[in-house]
Amino acid sequence: GEDVEQSLFLSVREGDSSVINCTYTDSSSTYLYWYKQEPGAGLQLLTYIFSNMDMKQDQRLTVLLNKKDKHLSLRIADTQTGDSAIYFCAEISGGSYIPTFGRGTSLIVHP
Amino acid sequence: DARVTQTPRDKVTEMGQEVTMRCQPILGHNTVFWYRQTMMQGLELLAYFRNRAPLDDSGMPKDRFSAEMPDATLATLKIQPSEPRDSAVYFCASASGGSGGETQYFGPGTRLLVL
Repeated sequence: GEDVEQSLFLSVREGDSSVINCTYTDSSSTYLYWYKQEPGAGLQLLTYIFSNMDMKQDQRLTVLLNKKDKHLSLRIADTQTGDSAIYFCAEISGGSYIPTFGRGTSLIVHP
Repeated sequence: DARVTQTPRDKVTEMGQEVTMRCQPILGHNTVFWYRQTMMQGLELLAYFRNRAPLDDSGMPKDRFSAEMPDATLATLKIQPSEPRDSAVYFCASASGGSGGETQYFGPGTRLLVL
């Protein structure tokens, strides 16, 4: 089946930029998502990008998509302690109702 | 603002007992998903419904799990009998269900501990 891979942990210093990476295998992916999960909570949609785009910016968040390499990244500028959470990458193919989620990357922000 | 609600938020039970988890999707959403999250397996899709009809429950252990949508505002997930390996966080999510690719909105989850 299709697969989405993420590294499990990322540690950054407060104020630095964080870059969370994701690779996927489905060449027909049409939507790619980043979700954030805070402790004790459900997944919350952060941002998404269509496969015909290569970049999307939303305040401190920048999403980069390299469709040729099937690589998606999420950059968080000026990372704060409140950004500490698990970040999930997900992809879905057009016409499908079921996204494929990665295992999640735990972002740890330290002073 | 519209959100998915789940009850109970936490459940502790003994092995062999029946567990029922409930979910209220966002009003107007016609696609509902049940997921299970554990440290070992990550996020697993158990079942999903579209217009209240089950479309895929291949991720669910059939002998003990059952999922239903009695009406458009309620989805249930039952485990009978429960086992310690069922301990996990169970999430419900809903989507507007157009032509595909719709964003899923997750509930806060039910944290289940089976002793």
